[in-house]
Parts: sequence; structure tokens; C-alpha cells
Amino acid sequence: SQQGEEDPQALSIQEGENATMNCSYKTSINNLQWYRQNSGRGLVHLILIRSNEREKHSGRLRVTLDTSKKSSSLLITASRAADTASYFCATDVSAGYALNFGKGTSLLVTP
Amino acid sequence: SQTIHQWPATLVQPVGSPLSLECTVEGTSNPNLYWYRQAAGRGLQLLFYSVGIGQISSEVPQNLSASRPQDRQFILSSKKLLLSDSGFYLCAWRGQREKLFFGSGTQLSVL
Repeated sequence: SQQGEEDPQALSIQEGENATMNCSYKTSINNLQWYRQNSGRGLVHLILIRSNEREKHSGRLRVTLDTSKKSSSLLITASRAADTASYFCATDVSAGYALNFGKGTSLLVTP
Repeated sequence: SQTIHQWPATLVQPVGSPLSLECTVEGTSNPNLYWYRQAAGRGLQLLFYSVGIGQISSEVPQNLSASRPQDRQFILSSKKLLLSDSGFYLCAWRGQREKLFFGSGTQLSVL
């Protein structure tokens, strides 16, 4: 079942700007993960943040997690045209089980 | 290194015809394996997952089935396809660091 819900559904920005995507979920989690999907391709893992972490960085990516609000955000700084893709959050509610994905945010970065 | 192979990339099938999608993983043993489906403009829906040979859990009752005849082989099948089975099918395996690795997907169109 889908637990994560991304917001906005679509985002259009220019190169060099920052892109922020939000994810809300419903139940307690072990960790939350963000994935990227280029059109017609499989998903690629970007970053994982555990329930006891509040912020994590990886290159131009910054993820925050607020377990009290059951929400997470993904910030992509200095966006590039190559960042154009759909971004999904996925919640891990039970170790060893499957991840629950949201519907994704479609990001368009124009030169 | 681990790789995941999924085929075919695209498939057009008539209503009522059978289906067999295959997924194999290399470079790891006893992986957790997953089948997800992605409808146009929607998130990923978990269909089946497997923690070992012959062990299949179904998430959504439907006319699809899955089998795991070998440790690193996961097959998605149907005896008679419905129009509603159209979508993008993704196989994935879960590594020790909790993230999912996805195949390149199969775009299935049932006409």
C-alpha cells in the first residue's frame, strides 16, 4: 500500500535554482528513502535517512526528517538540466519487508 | 558487483493472453526480491515479494502470480491478461544496506 505522499506533484525550475520536494507518511518508520526515476527507466536509490536522524547530506542533496510530523523533505541545490526526473520517497516500516512508495514529484529543470 | 536483469523491455499482448516476465540477479545470494507495478502517473504498487526459493507473498489479489524457482530468479506470470494489467513492471532486490536495486522495467501494454 502507498504510504508516502509527495508534494508538489510537479515542479518546474531553472538551472541553478534549488528544488524542494516534500513527503508525508502515516505510520512509524524504520527509515525513509528517496529514489529517482528517469522517464521509462527503473528507480535509482539516492539517500536513506533513519528514524533517529534529522538531516543527511549527499553531494547536492539534503534530506530532512521530522518524525513528529511524519514528514521529510528532499532539497536539490544548484539544479541542473540532468536532474530532470521523477523523485519518490519510500518508507520502510518493517525490517526486511518491502518499501512503500508515494506517487512521486515530477521535476523539470530547464536550461 | 551485483546486477539485476529484467526482460523484455516492452511487451504488447492481447487481452486473454498469458504473460511471463523474468528477473534475475547476479552477484548476491538469497536476496529479497520484489515485483512492483507502476501505472501511468502513479506511484509504485507492490505486487509480490519473496524472501527465499518457493516463498512468495502476495500484496494485491489479482490475476497475476509470481514464482521463485531459483535463488536469484523471480518470475511474474498471468494465465489471462486483462486491460487493467497494463503498466510498467519493475523487479527489485534488497541489499544488506536496506536500499532497493531496481531493474530497467518492462512496459506492458494489453490491447
